[in-house]
Amino acid sequence: AQTVTQSQPEMSVQEAETVTLSCTYDTSESDYYLFWYKQPPSRQMILVIRQEAYKQQNATENRFSVNFQKAAKSFSLKISDSQLGDAAMYFCAYRSYLNSNSGYALNFGKGTSLLVTP
Amino acid sequence: DSGVTQTPKHLITATGQRVTLRCSPRSGDLSVYWYQQSLDQGLQFLIQYYNGEERAKGNILERFSAQQFPDLHSELNLSSLELGDSALYFCASSLSGDSVNEQFFGPGTRLTVL
Repeated sequence: AQTVTQSQPEMSVQEAETVTLSCTYDTSESDYYLFWYKQPPSRQMILVIRQEAYKQQNATENRFSVNFQKAAKSFSLKISDSQLGDAAMYFCAYRSYLNSNSGYALNFGKGTSLLVTP
Repeated sequence: DSGVTQTPKHLITATGQRVTLRCSPRSGDLSVYWYQQSLDQGLQFLIQYYNGEERAKGNILERFSAQQFPDLHSELNLSSLELGDSALYFCASSLSGDSVNEQFFGPGTRLTVL
């Protein structure tokens, strides 16, 4: 089974600064998807960004970008110009490209709690 | 708003009881996933249905079962509840059952077992 590891239980950033959240994963598959989800205090799971493993170009969505290192099995999230509304739990997730024993379910890390200070 | 609805939002019950959680997927989505979020286990996949049929199983206990109805809504049944079953239960839906389409999450049902 694929494992996803987020080694930073908590991170803090000042408003307008940049922060990077780390994620590593373990897989024997060559094709897969990686995601970052945000879970604010409302508990709603919100997709932040997605990366297809076969694409070499790092995904970008406005202030959010990833650093995808396939060989190192690393998938970090960079948040630029941090805003108070970015404060949330962030989850890294893996999904198989092909039908595996768990179908196409998301496999989540334990999460990183991001605090944004004024 | 993701378009996925879950009822009830909160549920408080006692050990040994049985509860049913309901999920309505986004309009047009055929696949439904159930996830459990607990403090000790994190977010875990429970089970997936596609167009009424079970597609994949994750770490779902035998005391738990689910089904997807012809109108595509899904129910997750939890029986012989234990304190450790207290968690946030999410439903997610996607257009198809394969890897291409995004999963959109509902707001969750918070289950408290006393």
